[in-house]
Amino acid sequence: GENVEQHPSTLSVQEGDSAVIKCTYSDSASNYFPWYKQELGKRPQLIIDIRSNVGEKKDQRIAVTLNKTAKHFSLHITETQPEDSAVYFCAAKGGGADGLTFGKGTHLIIQP
Amino acid sequence: EAQVTQNPRYLITVTGKKLTVTCSQNMNHEYMSWYRQDPGLGLRQIYYSMNVEVTDKGDVPEGYKVSRKEKRNFPLILESPSPNQTSLYFCASRWDRGHSPLHFGNGTRLTVT
Repeated sequence: GENVEQHPSTLSVQEGDSAVIKCTYSDSASNYFPWYKQELGKRPQLIIDIRSNVGEKKDQRIAVTLNKTAKHFSLHITETQPEDSAVYFCAAKGGGADGLTFGKGTHLIIQP
Repeated sequence: EAQVTQNPRYLITVTGKKLTVTCSQNMNHEYMSWYRQDPGLGLRQIYYSMNVEVTDKGDVPEGYKVSRKEKRNFPLILESPSPNQTSLYFCASRWDRGHSPLHFGNGTRLTVT
C-alpha cells in the first residue's frame, strides 16, 4: 500500500518568515494530495489540495507543489502569522477505492 | 449545517466492556471512514465504507468492527476494548471514491483502563 513520509516533525519559524513542509509518497499511482491543518483540540480541516495533473497550486499565503517524478510534494506558507500555529498533515490517495494515507504530521510553531 | 457528528466526545471505560462510538453525516456522502490518531503516528485508517452494506478494512482494523446499514450512519464498535485502543478517534466522510474533500467529525477521545 501507500506510504507517506513527512518532514520535519516540528518546525519553528519567526512570525513573518516562510515555512516549508515536505512529504514523499511511495505509490506512483497516487493522484490526489491534500493538506490538512489541525489546531489544538480540534478536527483536521482541509486547507489545500493538488491533483497529479497539476504541478503547483496557490491560495493566498499557502501553496503546494508536486513533483511526480521524484514522488514528493510540499506545503509552503509565506508571511506566517500566529494563527498558522497548528499540526499539519499531508496525505496521498491512490487510484483505488480506499482512503487517504496520512503523514505523521508537522507541528508548526510561529515564534512572535 | 453540513457536518459529521460523533458521540460521545469523551469516553472512559474498562478493559473488555463493549462500546460503540456513533457517527452520522447529513451530507448524503457515499464514503465514510474511521481513523485513529496517536502521538507521533498521525492518522491511521481503521475501516471505511463506500456505500450502504459495503465495508472494508483499513490499515489498523484489529479489535474493531463497523456497520453501514444506513447511508448516514457508520458506528465504530469495540467488542472487547483493550488499553492499546486508548486513542483519539475521528469519523470522516466524502462524496465518493474520487477527489472530493474529506470532512472530519469533532473526534472521540477514548480511554481504556
